[in-house]
Amino acid sequence: AQSVTQLDSHVSVSEGTPVLLRCNYSSSYSPSLFWYVQHPNKGLQLLLKYTSAATLVKGINGFEAEFKKSETSFHLTKPSAHMSDAAEYFCVVSVDRGSTLGRLYFGRGTQLTVWP
Amino acid sequence: SAVISQKPSRDICQRGTSLTIQCQVDSQVTMMFWYRQQPGQSLTLIATANQGSEATYESGFVIDKFPISRPNLTFSTLTVSNMSPEDSSIYLCSGSGQGADTQYFGPGTRLTVL
Repeated sequence: AQSVTQLDSHVSVSEGTPVLLRCNYSSSYSPSLFWYVQHPNKGLQLLLKYTSAATLVKGINGFEAEFKKSETSFHLTKPSAHMSDAAEYFCVVSVDRGSTLGRLYFGRGTQLTVWP
Repeated sequence: SAVISQKPSRDICQRGTSLTIQCQVDSQVTMMFWYRQQPGQSLTLIATANQGSEATYESGFVIDKFPISRPNLTFSTLTVSNMSPEDSSIYLCSGSGQGADTQYFGPGTRLTVL
């Protein structure tokens, strides 16, 4: 069975401070893992993805995530938060790696607030 | 990457009516999907839209309530039938191309049922 647990429903940081959004997954197979961001009244945008290459994945807007198989984690980080980072973030696991047939399992989301 | 558009972007509907949402992709995609995002919730997969055949529905979703069409590789529709206030959600379509392991999402359709 596949599932995703986002450990924090809300995270608040000050602008310029580091961001950490936590995600743990459960998968019967080697997973593909994604982080998507959803800004208010906007669609989902892919931030980054892990598909069995390097375990440290760099994405857009300075975000990165590290796949840790031993910990079944895929936490999202950014060294310095910007006001424009305020949004909802979804951790997602796909069952069929490298296949167009893979369905996505979404975490419940983490709302990131950035204070000036 | 694929660019996906949806129409309408939002609508307010009366109980008992139906609404058809359109999803257009700018390039051919192998797979298209429809998701629902209820207020304050994450995304739930409704169904996989199959070209030229009946959609594959997830548990809890049925064709009579959410009929789906996909006449070609770049277009799909989702109808929300006999709507009730519980159907108020954002409905999103997504697509992935041949050999791709990433799904790209449309901007969503925000539906409010009174």
